[in-house]
Amino acid sequence: EAGVAQSPRYKIIEKRQSVAFWCNPISGHATLYWYQQILGQGPKLLIQFQNNGVVDDSQLPKDRFSAERLKGVDSTLKIQPAKLEDSAVYLCASSPRLTSGRGEQFFGPGTRLTVL
Amino acid sequence: AQSVTQLGSHVSVSEGALVLLRCNYSSSVPPYLFWYVQYPNQGLQLLLKYTTGATLVKGINGFEAEFKKSETSFHLTKPSAHMSDAAEYFCAVSLNAGGTSYGKLTFGQGTILTVHP
Repeated sequence: EAGVAQSPRYKIIEKRQSVAFWCNPISGHATLYWYQQILGQGPKLLIQFQNNGVVDDSQLPKDRFSAERLKGVDSTLKIQPAKLEDSAVYLCASSPRLTSGRGEQFFGPGTRLTVL
Repeated sequence: AQSVTQLGSHVSVSEGALVLLRCNYSSSVPPYLFWYVQYPNQGLQLLLKYTTGATLVKGINGFEAEFKKSETSFHLTKPSAHMSDAAEYFCAVSLNAGGTSYGKLTFGQGTILTVHP
C-alpha cells in the first residue's frame, strides 16, 4: 500500500512570495490533515478535511493560508504572501475516516519550507 | 482543551540501557493517547496508542507505555535501547468526544533520544 505522498520535499522562497504544497493521501482515506511543525516544536494542526469538506480550520491563518481538497482526494496548501515565521515543515496526514479520535493518522514525509 | 507536556527535550542513554520518555497530559474528557516517532527527514510513525481497556500498551520495536489516569501520565519505555532507536519522539492526545474534536491530535514538543555506543 502506497503511503502519503507530498511534494515538493524542500522549498526555499523569499518573504512575500507565494508557495504551494501538494498532498496525495492513502487511497480510500476520507480524512486529511495539514500540520505545521516549527523547529523544536510538535506538529500543530492547521486544517482537517473530511472528504472535500472542512471539519476544523480554527488554527489556519486565513489571511495568508488557504487549502483545498477538490474531489475529496488530493489537497493543496497555499501560503500567500509568506512570512519569515512560516519557515517550518508542513506535514500531511490521512486516516480512513472520521474516527472519533481512536484511529491512527498516517503521515507523509513533509515539505520543508525556508523563507528568507 | 487538551494539552501535552513532554518532560525533557533531550534524553541520552547508552546502548542496552532503559529508555524512559515522559509524557503528561491534561484533558477535560477521557483521552486517547499516542506515541509517534520521527526519524530525520521522515514523517511521523505510530509507535503505540491507548484508547480503552488495558492500561499497559505494547507497540512496535519493543516499546511500551502505561496509561496512569491518577497521574495523568503516559510514559514511554523500552527495556534495552538500540542504536536504531535514536530519533525524536512525540506524545499526542486526542479527545474521546464528538463534534469537531474528532481525530484532532494535540502534540507535545517532542523528545530527542540519543543512544550512545
